[in-house]
Amino acid sequence: DVQLVESGGDIVQPGESLRLSCAASGFTFSDYWMHWVRQAPGRGLMWVSYVKNDASGTGYADSVKGRFTISRDNTRGTLSLQMNNLRVEDTAVYYCARGGVDSAFDVWGQGIMVTVSS
Amino acid sequence: QSALTQPASVSGSPGQSIAISCIGTSSDIGSYNLVSWYQQHPGEAPKLMIYEDTKRPSGVSDRFSGSKSGNTASLTISGLRAEDEANYYCCSYAGPNSFVVFGGGTKLTVL
Repeated sequence: DVQLVESGGDIVQPGESLRLSCAASGFTFSDYWMHWVRQAPGRGLMWVSYVKNDASGTGYADSVKGRFTISRDNTRGTLSLQMNNLRVEDTAVYYCARGGVDSAFDVWGQGIMVTVSS
Repeated sequence: QSALTQPASVSGSPGQSIAISCIGTSSDIGSYNLVSWYQQHPGEAPKLMIYEDTKRPSGVSDRFSGSKSGNTASLTISGLRAEDEANYYCCSYAGPNSFVVFGGGTKLTVL
């Protein structure tokens, strides 16, 4: 089965760092762009970042640019999100998602909670 | 990039049809044939229901259909069932800098 499993969520204080991981299985990981999408409690979805299938390019939402870094390891089938200088407003469930046809997200992980609070 | 505009809620009775609108701009919905729709039940991950404006992924019921006119996209669900009750989000490609923008979500209630 095609599967994405996130890990690394935690409760941290503002200004601290956290690294999320996503383990992919059931498909050829290196064929797909990968994304992080987040959802604040009780709110809608917000795209966070992408990395191209061969790691040749990345993109970020303005709200995380300069603080978050996306990366991937195609040999291990893993996606990562390094989050620095975390803010209260970064509190959300973070989903790892596979980039399907064009800009659609066709496979999603179960999500992992990140709480930023003093 | 501003979010796409969706109604906060819609409702319908079992067997009826409903439509959820998604209003964007000429910079997103109006410029690309890349609107997607997601269904999300409480506590679960989103599920892709429609991509490239009108296409259904394998395994998605043909009761779900997508359409677009100008800067507005729509998701229509026919033959409403209790299990369709969920939140629905539209999403559009918005260019290489913003990548995608989501709508605020619509809560569908099946009466």
